[in-house]
Amino acid sequence: SAVISQKPSRDICQRGTSLTIQCQVDSQVTMMFWYRQQPGQSLTLIATANQGSEATYESGFVIDKFPISRPNLTFSTLTVSNMSPEDSSIYLCSVEGTSRGFGYTFGSGTRLTVV
Amino acid sequence: GENVEQHPSTLSVQEGDSAVIKCTYSDSASNYFPWYKQELGKRPQLIIDIRSNVGEKKDQRIAVTLNKTAKHFSLHITETQPEDSAVYFCAASHRDDKIIFGKGTRLHILP
Repeated sequence: SAVISQKPSRDICQRGTSLTIQCQVDSQVTMMFWYRQQPGQSLTLIATANQGSEATYESGFVIDKFPISRPNLTFSTLTVSNMSPEDSSIYLCSVEGTSRGFGYTFGSGTRLTVV
Repeated sequence: GENVEQHPSTLSVQEGDSAVIKCTYSDSASNYFPWYKQELGKRPQLIIDIRSNVGEKKDQRIAVTLNKTAKHFSLHITETQPEDSAVYFCAASHRDDKIIFGKGTRLHILP
């Protein structure tokens, strides 16, 4: 099973600034997924990150706003750029592999508040 | 792309009774259907899943059924307990492995 370390766990940021979120996995994985969960809402996929190639973004999300790096098979970052209060949300990364031997596991999330 | 509809959005059941949450999906190519439980302030946790070559799967008090023809799948929780109170998400995935979630069901177990 995969274990994900995600940081920071929370942050309060000024509008117009950027925040980079990191996810470190304890095993090599082909794909990493980045999700956003707004308060009281479901999880919305932002992008899929494969090592060695550009991330694939879902409709409504663009690289300039959410640049993603995937330098190796165990690590990825998501940057939230030029933040506004509407970006206040929980951001989670996800990879395949859980303690049950199947499915996908999530990082602990980054709670972002933009003021 | 895939679209997953989930209902009800809120469900209250007496402790000991059963709870059923239903989902539909739009992409007939989807072949993997996980269910996640999310407690307040915590990350989603996988509780059960089913693949398209199986019609039903059970794990203790939890079961999932899949009707590929109708593109429906459901979560059944029997003998509900207070610790079952949480938000439950269904999801669907196909060959590109990305998981698309339903909007969630907030389950309340009443004493």
